[in-house]
Amino acid sequence: DQQVKQNSPSLSVQEGRISILNCDYTNSMFDYFLWYKKYPAEGPTFLISISSIKDKNEDGRFTVFLNKSAKHLSLHIVPSQPGDSAVYFCAASAAGAGSYQLTFGKGTKLSVIP
Amino acid sequence: GAGVSQSPSNKVTEKGKDVELRCDPISGHTALYWYRQSLGQGLEFLIYFQGNSAPDKSGLPSDRFSAERTGGSVSTLTIQRTQQEDSAVYLCASSLVTGHDEQYFGPGTRLTVT
Repeated sequence: DQQVKQNSPSLSVQEGRISILNCDYTNSMFDYFLWYKKYPAEGPTFLISISSIKDKNEDGRFTVFLNKSAKHLSLHIVPSQPGDSAVYFCAASAAGAGSYQLTFGKGTKLSVIP
Repeated sequence: GAGVSQSPSNKVTEKGKDVELRCDPISGHTALYWYRQSLGQGLEFLIYFQGNSAPDKSGLPSDRFSAERTGGSVSTLTIQRTQQEDSAVYLCASSLVTGHDEQYFGPGTRLTVT
């Protein structure tokens, strides 16, 4: 049973336009959500996070939106750049003693076309 | 400063052999994690070390898998009697503390069991 789902395996966007990557979760105990970016042959790198007490967090071109009632979050990249082409993983953790344990989605491969 | 390093970067082994994968975390990071990414899947939590506390081994898929962390620094993940389903990228991460602290990932070891 997948607790974090990224239903789009791939996404293509024109340079300069908005990229929207989606993520759904099923575990209501999740209280912290992260996005990681991964280039080929490299480990994932942290991009942005959001706590469940917020519904939006912004960092430069990257904004994460959280809709707790729908158990849905999304990552917006505006404007998209060719260097943003990578695999994006959504991850979540629950409060409490096991909060270090991240549960990842399968990833969405973003291609930004120049 | 140096990031998380892992060795080897690639390992091809015959079914039934034992393998050892090494992780050097970022200096000063007390928490260390191992994940596995099988083809087309998200990252799967395997094991977590925090300081001198007993590790959380809840993610290890079978008793053929074990891990050690010596001196609170370097960690070794050992897979005994490898099977073809063990083929995956094994990723190590470290963080300064625990909880929702950002995890820094190494480049991974790609293990292929033939």
